[in-house]
This record gives sequence, structure tokens and C-alpha cells, in this order.
Amino acid sequence: QPVLTQSSSASASLGSSVKLTCTLSSGHSSYIIAWHQQQPGKAPRYLMKLEGSGSYNKGSGVPDRFSGSSSGADRYLTISNLQSEDEADYYCETWDSNTRVFGGGTKLTVL
Amino acid sequence: EVQLVESGGGLVQPGGSLRLSCAASGFTFSDHYMDWVRQAPGKGLEWVGRTRNKANSYTAQYAASVKGRFTISRDDSKNSLYLQMNSLKTEDTAVYYCARGSTVTPLDSWGQGTLVTVSS
Repeated sequence: QPVLTQSSSASASLGSSVKLTCTLSSGHSSYIIAWHQQQPGKAPRYLMKLEGSGSYNKGSGVPDRFSGSSSGADRYLTISNLQSEDEADYYCETWDSNTRVFGGGTKLTVL
Repeated sequence: EVQLVESGGGLVQPGGSLRLSCAASGFTFSDHYMDWVRQAPGKGLEWVGRTRNKANSYTAQYAASVKGRFTISRDDSKNSLYLQMNSLKTEDTAVYYCARGSTVTPLDSWGQGTLVTVSS
């Protein structure tokens, strides 16, 4: 089954941009993934579906500041013009006919 | 608007049982696969399992960590999803979320979660 690898933490300044990475395991580099945001004390929120081509589809109400891109086995979430409410845990997810897998999550701190 | 509301969490002793419910609204529940995901305190998200829809015979799949102990079911007439948890262990302590998804799509809607604590 696929494995997703994420850095445990990231930080960036208010108003700047940050790029989070999710890496698919060997043999699974073509998989589609999704990004989810989990603010402190809240349930996860679906942000977008991201294909290996870099094409992405965002969930309802997700700000334009959030975008996705891909390169090989890497899937990226870029957040522009960082706001204080973007401080959260970000999880990537992938799935197939037998299972669903999450990355370990990246804790984003907005300085 | 899609809404998913979990209930049934609480404190249970090791070896005990608990049944969680998830009430769905705002979409055609019977058309969709539904998943359960859990999150232990201070940890990341862990997939528990899914149930397919009627067109796919309501078949269920489970993570290895819960297979044989947990059972996912649904009642389309009540727009409800269930998670029957038996032989509970302390490591099953977590917030349990229901979410909408399928074998070809991500989880695109989440409930607010219900806390299950397994402790003596």
C-alpha cells in the first residue's frame, strides 16, 4: 500500500508564502492525493484534490491563497499571504480500492 | 450543505464495547461510500474503515488494527452510519470522525468527531 511522508513542522511569517510537501512512496508516484487542514481543537477540513499532473480541485469555500502543484512523487500545498488562521496541522491523504492512507501531518506555525 | 454529526462516544473499560453513530444530511446518503477515521490524543489521522453503498453491496473494509473487532454498518433509511467497537483496547482511545468518500475520491466532508476513552 502507498505511504505518504510529510515534514513534521514548518514555519513562515505572516503575509509570506509557504510550500508544504507530501511525498508518495516508490511505485505510487502517480497517485492522486488530497490535502486537509486541521486547526487547533477542530475537525479536519478538506482543502483540495491534487493529481500527479499538478491539476487540482479545491473544496467549497477554500480561499484562493491555497494552491497545489506536483513534481514526480512530490505533491505540494502552497499557501500565499499567510494569515494567522492558517496556523494548523496539514495532512495529505491518498486512497485505493483497498485502503486509505494519511501522511503524518505537518504542523505549520505562522510567525 | 453537507452535515455529519457523530454521537455515542464516552468512557469504556478495556475489553468493553461501544457503538458510535453518524447522522448525515445535505446529500443523498445512499449514493455514497462512508468512512471512519480516528485521531489519538496528540497524534495524526488514522483510517479505520469504510462501507460501500448499496450498488456495491454495502461491503466494508477495515484497517488491520481494528479488523475483527470493529464493524461498520449503515441504515440508508435513516441516513445513518455506525461503528460497532468490541474488545476495546486502551490504544483505541481517540476522537472518531465519520467522513464522506469513495474508493476513487478523497474524504471531502468531515463530522466534528466524538471522543472515545478506553480506560479502567
